[in-house]
Amino acid sequence: DAMVIQNPRYQVTQFGKPVTLSCSQTLNHNVMYWYQQKSSQAPKLLFHYYDKDFNNEADTPDNFQSRRPNTSFCFLDIRSPGLGDAAMYLCATSRDPGGWGGGYTFGSGTRLTVV
Amino acid sequence: QKEVEQNSGPLSVPEGAIASLNCTYSDRGSQSFFWYRQYSGKSPELIMFIYSNGDKEDGRFTAQLNKASQYVSLLIRDSQPSDSATYLCAVKYGNKLVFGAGTILRVKS
Repeated sequence: DAMVIQNPRYQVTQFGKPVTLSCSQTLNHNVMYWYQQKSSQAPKLLFHYYDKDFNNEADTPDNFQSRRPNTSFCFLDIRSPGLGDAAMYLCATSRDPGGWGGGYTFGSGTRLTVV
Repeated sequence: QKEVEQNSGPLSVPEGAIASLNCTYSDRGSQSFFWYRQYSGKSPELIMFIYSNGDKEDGRFTAQLNKASQYVSLLIRDSQPSDSATYLCAVKYGNKLVFGAGTILRVKS
């Protein structure tokens, strides 16, 4: 089945130690998104790639970076995680920007804990 | 600032009843609206999307859109305990979806 896969499912990292979360998709969608969701809050868009074009949200901290080496994979790098970065990180894909034609397909998420 | 507002709940309904979830949005120019269901600790899954004013039905779910009043709602008929989850409203602004914080629905058997 075509899907969006995030690894790992759970990640524990030390305060200040760089961490990378990964996302892969077999849907051949053009757009890949990274959202941060804290408990009882709305998912917050960090950035997205439309093909190779990177689009950063204005309020995304510089501590968060992303890479998309090819259509299938996208990575979220947190250079120096702080306690406030503990959250669920959601990867999503869509055929077109903004989810026209049916919205986003989400991966299962990565729960990040910072100790 | 593009905003999507939802009552956090929880909304409690008995099994078999109709659950009504509401969402308001700030940008009158928005064209596309989505409802996602999110179980605790899981990722959101798309339930319905609606583009035009009026109602759109899919099984037990009906989405209603009123662009003049800038609200979108989701009705769940014959609510089941398995419908207990957080329901996220999302609105397309430009090239991205902006989500509300969600309404917690609890269906009591």
